[in-house]
Amino acid sequence: QVQLVQSGNEVRKPGASVKISCKPSGYMFIAHYIHWVRQAPGQGPEWMGRLNPSAGVTRYAQRFQDRITIGGDTTTRTVFMELTNLASDDTAVYYCARDSWDYVAHAGYSPPNDYSYMDVWGKGTTVIVS
Amino acid sequence: EIVLTQSPATLSLSPGEVATLSCRASQSVNSQLTWYQQKPGQAPRLLIYDAFTRATGIPPRFSGRGSGTDFTLTISSLEPEDFAVYYCQQRTTFGGGTRVEI
Repeated sequence: QVQLVQSGNEVRKPGASVKISCKPSGYMFIAHYIHWVRQAPGQGPEWMGRLNPSAGVTRYAQRFQDRITIGGDTTTRTVFMELTNLASDDTAVYYCARDSWDYVAHAGYSPPNDYSYMDVWGKGTTVIVS
Repeated sequence: EIVLTQSPATLSLSPGEVATLSCRASQSVNSQLTWYQQKPGQAPRLLIYDAFTRATGIPPRFSGRGSGTDFTLTISSLEPEDFAVYYCQQRTTFGGGTRVEI
């Protein structure tokens, strides 16, 4: 079955960086974008960015633009997200999630109206900045 | 950027009752709206996409409707496992959530 396995919880000091990994399985790795979403304590989810694993192309939320890097390795079938210059308000659970659209099945074409959603999620990685 | 406003923030109901959750978009999103359920300590779980299509394994007591700017998620008869937080989403934007509590 499709699953996304994330790396373990992390504790960092302010100003440090954190790198979290996500290993999808159960489907063709390059077929689906991977999103990163975080959720601060008591808050709703917040989209951070996404990766096209096939082309290595990323797109980031503007507020994280200058301190986030999302990348992937097609050999190890792993995606990572690195966030630098951490502050206490970066304390959150970080999730990777698979995009619903299968680009391989659709010959590289984007979904109608560019609409897709997150159909499978990792269990989350807690990052505490203190 | 689209803003999604969910109401109410909290819904206090009993098992067997009907839950009606609202999500309003700041501009039309046609039928491109997704609903997720989240329980404490768990990741969000896909419930409904395309405004009304249930995801695989989601029981029929969950139904979505709406288009344009106004959307509704209805749980026809609450089961104990349905008490959770529900989020609507459109592309990269999430609503603030509705907590359904006992």
